[in-house]
Formats: sequence, C-alpha cells, structure tokens
Amino acid sequence: GQSLEQPSEVTAVEGAIVQINCTYQTSGFYGLSWYQQHDGGAPTFLSYNALDGLEETGRFSSFLSRSDSYGYLLLQELQMKDSASYFCAVILTGGGNKLTFGTGTQLKVEL
Amino acid sequence: IAGITQAPTSQILAAGRRMTLRCTQDMRHNAMYWYRQDLGLGLRLIHYSNTAGTTGKGEVPDGYSVSRANTDDFPLTLASAVPSQTSVYFCASSDSDNTEAFFGQGTRLTVV
Repeated sequence: GQSLEQPSEVTAVEGAIVQINCTYQTSGFYGLSWYQQHDGGAPTFLSYNALDGLEETGRFSSFLSRSDSYGYLLLQELQMKDSASYFCAVILTGGGNKLTFGTGTQLKVEL
Repeated sequence: IAGITQAPTSQILAAGRRMTLRCTQDMRHNAMYWYRQDLGLGLRLIHYSNTAGTTGKGEVPDGYSVSRANTDDFPLTLASAVPSQTSVYFCASSDSDNTEAFFGQGTRLTVV
C-alpha cells in the first residue's frame, strides 16, 4: 500500500534549525508537498518539490530524493510561531489524483 | 466568498441521523477533496473529485457519500451517522496541476 511516514514529534529551541523527515512507500507520485497546521486551524501549503533537489522559500526549504524514497522540510531561524504540525503529502499516480498526507509531525519550539 | 468555505463550523448530531457537510470554492479549481482528521491519525482522505461530474473513493470512504454536480460545490453526506464519525472534517481544492491545495476552516462534528 501507500504510506508516508514522519516522526510524531520534534522539539527545538528558538533560533535553531530543524529538519522534519518524510519517508514514503508509494508506486508513483507527481511531487512532494509540505503543509503547516496550527492547532485548531486549517492546513496551509508551504512548498512543493516536483523534481529531486532542494527548494528554498524564505526560512523554509524542502528536499526530495526519489531514489531514496525520502524528503525533508528544513526550518531555519526557528520562531515560536513555527510551533505547529507539519505534513508531507503526495499526489498519487495510477488512477485518480489522490492527495495523500503523511502521519504528521508536531513541532514544539522552546525558548 | 473568498477561497473555500465549509458549513457548518461545528455540529452535534444524534446517531442515526443524516447530515450533509457543505463545501464551496470560488477559485474554479477542478480537484476537490474531503478529509477527516483524528488525533494521532493525520489527514485521511474520504472521497475526492478530479472534475465536475466525477468522484472517487479515498482511504476511508465507508459511511460517506459525495456528489460533484458543478465545479464549485462538493457536499459530503453521512447517511446514518455513527459515533466513530466524530471528527474534524476538512474540504480542500486544488488546480489541475495539484501542486497546492487550499483548505476550508473545517467542520467539527460530534456524533452522540
């Protein structure tokens, strides 16, 4: 079956750099996306990797390696407001465009 | 309307009752999705639609039905609610390239 695995929880201090990993088992997908969700809120889009390599958007970067079935989200200069849940997601190929999410990682930023 | 709107924002429903969650978007997106979110289980896809007139089953479709009569609306119906359907439901939409999905604010449903 299809699965995207993430660590359930990550803790880091303000100003630090943190990496949230996403490993997947899927037969095919168009690209890897990342979403942020604050408690009680809706998920919001952060980044998308169609190809292998690094994509940078301000303090956030995202990486994809299809050969390693692996991706990550890198958050730099952490701020308290970055405390949230982060989800990787893929659009599966092979019959319908199903936007499928990973298990999610809760990031706690501490002083 | 700006973006994607869900209604109601919250609902308490008696078991066995029928309920339709509404979702409307004004971005002319082809693809729409319904998810449920439960603590520790992330976002699980219930049903999706790639374009008006077509729908498909996601990971957890049992007990739910959808329709896509036009581009803008994608209602989710619980024919006979059960307590295990207590959850937060999110509707989302994306353009044909599917690179970015936009989410509604969610419907918190409690089945008692």
